[in-house]
Amino acid sequence: NAGVTQTPKFRILKIGQSMTLQCTQDMNHNYMYWYRQDPGMGLKLIYYSVGAGITDKGEVPNGYNVSRSTTEDFPLRLELAAPSQTSVYFCASRLQSTEAFFGQGTRLTVV
Amino acid sequence: RKEVEQDPGPFNVPEGATVAFNCTYSNSASQSFFWYRQDCRKEPKLLMSVYSSGNEDGRFTAQLNRASQYISLLIRDSKLSDSATYLCVVNPNTGGFKTIFGAGTRLFVKA
Repeated sequence: NAGVTQTPKFRILKIGQSMTLQCTQDMNHNYMYWYRQDPGMGLKLIYYSVGAGITDKGEVPNGYNVSRSTTEDFPLRLELAAPSQTSVYFCASRLQSTEAFFGQGTRLTVV
Repeated sequence: RKEVEQDPGPFNVPEGATVAFNCTYSNSASQSFFWYRQDCRKEPKLLMSVYSSGNEDGRFTAQLNRASQYISLLIRDSKLSDSATYLCVVNPNTGGFKTIFGAGTRLFVKA
């Protein structure tokens, strides 16, 4: 049972490049989330999804897009990378009333 | 008012000390409560759920006060390995899709 798996673990992007952060879970969780965490700061919600085909914005959605075509996968897309998007990105999933499970994170640097 | 508020600390305590953290939440309809632990540069991991009757897991005790809308975490006989950031987490009931994380309380346990 792998839980929540994020890829890649590390990435360096140049300004203006695009990339997709992958997140997949094998626990059949309906709720999935993307957070970013800047150094010394708390988690900020980027986007979330309550099921396949349904997504919604969190606190800081600008510059990001998501899709949820299956229950298992919730990729996060950066279209035009900016230095302000340098951060650690965490994907999480849960059932309705249970705790959230996190992936190990993707450390992204935009230069 | 933030949905979930925690004292950011840091709390600096000697080994063997007892330390307590509080967390307040604004949504009185919130149903599920948790404490997570986050080590530096790692993903948050569930420490314990918080039940209405209070619950204990070894040196850790969590309590919920619905009337005053706060939860607490007590750590007895602190160990060096307890040094981490402790996150208070709330799952709201109404429209309960978003898992709300506090910004975290930093704990340093010193020899």
